[in-house]
Amino acid sequence: NAGVTQTPKFRVLKTGQSMTLLCAQDMNHEYMYWYRQDPGMGLRLIHYSVGEGTTAKGEVPDGYNVSRLKKQNFLLGLESAAPSQTSVYFCASSYVGIMQPQHFGDGTRLSIL
Amino acid sequence: GQQVMQIPQYQHVQEGEDFTTYCNSSTTLSNIQWYKQRPGGHPVFLIQLVKSGEVKKQKRLTFQFGEAKKNSSLHITATQTTDVGTYFCAGPSNAGNMLTFGGGTRLMVKP
Repeated sequence: NAGVTQTPKFRVLKTGQSMTLLCAQDMNHEYMYWYRQDPGMGLRLIHYSVGEGTTAKGEVPDGYNVSRLKKQNFLLGLESAAPSQTSVYFCASSYVGIMQPQHFGDGTRLSIL
Repeated sequence: GQQVMQIPQYQHVQEGEDFTTYCNSSTTLSNIQWYKQRPGGHPVFLIQLVKSGEVKKQKRLTFQFGEAKKNSSLHITATQTTDVGTYFCAGPSNAGNMLTFGGGTRLMVKP
C-alpha cells in the first residue's frame, strides 16, 4: 500500500522553464491537495480538488495550474518557473471533507535558478 | 482572513523535560487538527479535536481544545529524542473549504 506518491522527488529548473509534478494516491480518496512549504511559514495551500474533474484555488494559486483527470492523480504545473517558486511541494489526499485527516506524500524539493 | 498562529517557533529541551506548543486562532474553529513532521519528512496526522474543552491523550502527548474553541495546545511529557520534529496545528478556513496551517513549532531534544 503506497499511500500518496509524488514524482519527482527533486528537480532543478531554470527561470522560465515549465514542469509538471505528479501526485498519485491509492486510497480511493475524493479530496486531493497541493501545498508548498517554505522555511518558517508552515504549509500553504496552492490548489485542491474535491473530486475527479474538479479543481479550486487555495491560498497561493498564482503561477500554478492543476488538473484532476483521474480520481487517483492530481497534477501540479508550473508554466513559467520563477525563483520565488523554489520550495518543497507536498501533495495530500483525504476522504470527503476538510475535517478528514490528510495523508501526505514525501514531497518534491524544487529549486529554480 | 482567518489566521492560525503557533508559539513558540522553536524549542530546545533536554531529554526528559516537558514541552508545550500553543496554537491560537483569530476566529472560532469548528475543529482543530495536529500534525507532526520529522526532519526531512512529511506531515503526519496526529489527532483531531472537535468539542469545546476537549482533552485527548496519546501516550505522552496531551492535546487540549480551548473552551472558546479559539486555541489549542499540545503537551509532551518527558520528551524523548524520537519526539524531534515540527508540530503543526491546522484549522478550517472561514469559508470552511480548506485547512489553514499554523507556522509550526520545531522541537529539538538534546540527549
